[in-house]
Amino acid sequence: AQSVSQHNHHVILSEAASLELGCNYSYGGTVNLFWYVQYPGQHLQLLLKYFSGDPLVKGIKGFEAEFIKSKFSFNLRKPSVQWSDTAEYFCAVSYSSASKIIFGSGTRLSIRP
Amino acid sequence: SAVISQKPSRDICQRGTSLTIQCQVDSQVTMMFWYRQQPGQSLTLIATANQGSEATYESGFVIDKFPISRPNLTFSTLTVSNMSPEDSSIYLCSVPGLAGTGELFFGEGSRLTVL
Repeated sequence: AQSVSQHNHHVILSEAASLELGCNYSYGGTVNLFWYVQYPGQHLQLLLKYFSGDPLVKGIKGFEAEFIKSKFSFNLRKPSVQWSDTAEYFCAVSYSSASKIIFGSGTRLSIRP
Repeated sequence: SAVISQKPSRDICQRGTSLTIQCQVDSQVTMMFWYRQQPGQSLTLIATANQGSEATYESGFVIDKFPISRPNLTFSTLTVSNMSPEDSSIYLCSVPGLAGTGELFFGEGSRLTVL
């Protein structure tokens, strides 16, 4: 079955620490990959996306993610986190054969000021 | 981007009752999606609502429990019927972004608590 796995349920970091959140998806042919973020009290919004081309994609607020096809991974990174990055992060995938998006279980990121 | 409004934003309901959630979009869209986000879990697609046709339900979700209406291209409703505490969730309406991108825009969600 098509699925998305996020390895970390809750990550706690200090400000200025580097961040990497893991995401793996099951094989299903051509994929579109996303990271969504939900800040406290706000709605889900797109952080970044990969469709094709350069496997290293840059998003808003200094986030980036790298698509590694051989590993079926799309990990999210940020070199130096800020307290305002405290949020829930969801990896998601859509397969070319379907229009729906499948979400991972989410990773809650807490940043200590 | 699309602006999506949901009502109610939250509600507390009694077991056995039904509640209808409304979703209004500021632009015309062919497809609208209803997701559920149970406490501590990810988003699960309930159904896809296309204007002018029956909603398409995902495995594990049925029309009798989650009837959906889609009267026009900017509006949809999801009813959670005969609620039980297991239905306590955030229900989210979403619409696609630019054609072919697969991106979704979300409403702020409707948080239901069933006692």
